[in-house]
Order: sequence, then C-alpha cells, then structure tokens
Amino acid sequence: DGGITQSPKYLFRKEGQNVTLSCEQNLNHDAMYWYRQDPGQGLRLIYYSQIVNDFQKGDIAEGYSVSREKKESFPLTVTSAQKNPTAFYLCASSDLDSPYGYTFGSGTRLTVV
Amino acid sequence: KNEVEQSPQNLTAQEGEFITINCSYSVGISALHWLQQHPGGGIVSLFMLSSGKKKHGRLIATINIQEKHSSLHITASHPRDSAVYICAVRSWETSGSRLTFGEGTQLTVNP
Repeated sequence: DGGITQSPKYLFRKEGQNVTLSCEQNLNHDAMYWYRQDPGQGLRLIYYSQIVNDFQKGDIAEGYSVSREKKESFPLTVTSAQKNPTAFYLCASSDLDSPYGYTFGSGTRLTVV
Repeated sequence: KNEVEQSPQNLTAQEGEFITINCSYSVGISALHWLQQHPGGGIVSLFMLSSGKKKHGRLIATINIQEKHSSLHITASHPRDSAVYICAVRSWETSGSRLTFGEGTQLTVNP
C-alpha cells in the first residue's frame, strides 16, 4: 500500500545536537511538507517542497533545514539554532487531483533534554 | 484572529448521539479539508471539499462558501470516533498547495 513513512516514532536528543527526521513516500506525489504541532496549537508549516531540488520556507523555518534530492524523500534537520525543538513533527505529501488531496505520516515525537 | 476557527474546542458525547463540529474561515479558499488525528498522532484525511456536501459512512461534511463556514457531522457516534478533528483550508491567497489549520476539536464519545 502507498503511504508516508516517518522514522523514528520517538526521538530523544541532547540540547545542542542536530537531529534529522526521515520522511519517505511511495505515492509519487510531487509536493511534500513538514509541520510542527505543539500542545493546544494548530499545525504550523516549517518547510514545503513543490518539486525535486526546490523547497520554500514556511511560517516557522528558523532553526530548521531540509533537502529534496529525490522525489520520495524529504528529510528535516532540526538544528541547534532551534530554540524550542521539543514537539511533534508531521510530514505530508499532496496530490490535489486525488480524492483527499493530502496524505500524512504518523509523526515523530522529538524530545530534547 | 486565526484564519481558521473551530468550535467547540472540546466535545463529550454519549454513544449514539449526533455530533456537529463547526469551522469558520476568513480567507478565500480553493478547498477545505477535514482531518482526524488519533491519540498516537497520525492524521487521516476525511474529506476535501470546495462546495456542497460529501458523505462517507457515518460522516458528513458540508460547506457554505458564501458564509465561509463548514460543518462536520457524525451520525450514531461510537467510542472509536474519539479523536481530534481538524479543519484546514487551502487558500488561493497563498502560494502553492499549503494548508492553514484550525486548532482542532477534541471529541470524546463515551459508551
């Protein structure tokens, strides 16, 4: 079955370390997204990519970086410059011609200690 | 003021009850999405709609473009419907296919 795989599900890191979250899709979707979710808040867009080798900053890109070298992969690096990295991170992809438009991963819960 | 507002924030119902969750938005949209988030965190897309009404099983979504309002209804609710329901809009005022999300409605259905 096609879908989005995020790994790992839980991740613990020490303060000051960079960490990379994986997102892989086998849906052949062109567009991919990274969102951050904090308790009691709506999802906020970190970065998105409409096509391979191109990506744009979202609303809260500071302290994060991404790459899109392959259509199926869109890894997110949380750098030490991100002041409050502990959060739930969701990856998504979209095909607006499909019935639901968007497919979401199961998320990665990052805890920085 | 958020571009997407949902109400109520929290909703508790008894099994079998008819449930309505509301979503109002303030921007011009090309589509509105209803999503479901279970306690584990993963999100499932329920509906994408730009006009009228859609139905899938016990779930019904409606949208009124003129009033900038959408509702999600659940008929004959069941404890397995307990989840966070999120409204999101795709605005033609922003670039690409990015979504703007409401804060979600926590639904608890008791047996």
